[in-house]
Amino acid sequence: SAVISQKPSRDICQRGTSLTIQCQVDSQVTMMFWYRQQPGQSLTLIATANQGSEATYESGFVIDKFPISRPNLTFSTLTVSNMSPEDSSIYLCSVDLAGLAGPAGEQYFGPGTRLTVT
Amino acid sequence: GDSVTQMEGPVTLSEEAFLTINCTYTATGYPSLFWYVQYPGEGLQLLLKATKADDKGSNKGFEATYRKETTSFHLEKGSVQVSDSAVYFCALSDRAGGTSYGKLTFGQGTILTVHP
Repeated sequence: SAVISQKPSRDICQRGTSLTIQCQVDSQVTMMFWYRQQPGQSLTLIATANQGSEATYESGFVIDKFPISRPNLTFSTLTVSNMSPEDSSIYLCSVDLAGLAGPAGEQYFGPGTRLTVT
Repeated sequence: GDSVTQMEGPVTLSEEAFLTINCTYTATGYPSLFWYVQYPGEGLQLLLKATKADDKGSNKGFEATYRKETTSFHLEKGSVQVSDSAVYFCALSDRAGGTSYGKLTFGQGTILTVHP
């Protein structure tokens, strides 16, 4: 397994501002993932972050709104830009330790960042 | 594309009751299947997993069997406790083309409340 921490754990932000969320893992991992969980909803994948390359975004998510950095194998950031109340959600990062061989493995999740935009 | 469908909730049970949460999936390949649990105010924790047909995942008294013929992965527990109150998510991960990292697809989640 992996120990994953996120900062901040929660924040209340004004519309039009930006917030950067940090995700730190206790071991080196190739692939990290960012998810959004809107109130009372399931998780939706925002993007996949591979160290040393541009993040890959899912349909409906764009780099200008959710820029991602992946400077090394233990750290990533997600920025929520030009926020509106619709961005109020829990944002979670996760890692896949399974590698590319064998069956698809589980992901381990951070505790999440609860964002409220007013 | 891949999809996961969970039984609609919320589910309310008395302590020591039997629990079943239904989960069915659609996938083009041979996915791995998971149950995650989210306790109030916390992130997601892996509860159990199964990576091939007929595998049974189990943990903390919960179990689920990978049924390829019915494309199902129903979660069961024989006797629930108040501490089991949480949101339960069924999920699958499938390696597209067999060479990429698996992407998790989640069901909509089922809220379980257990009363003393």
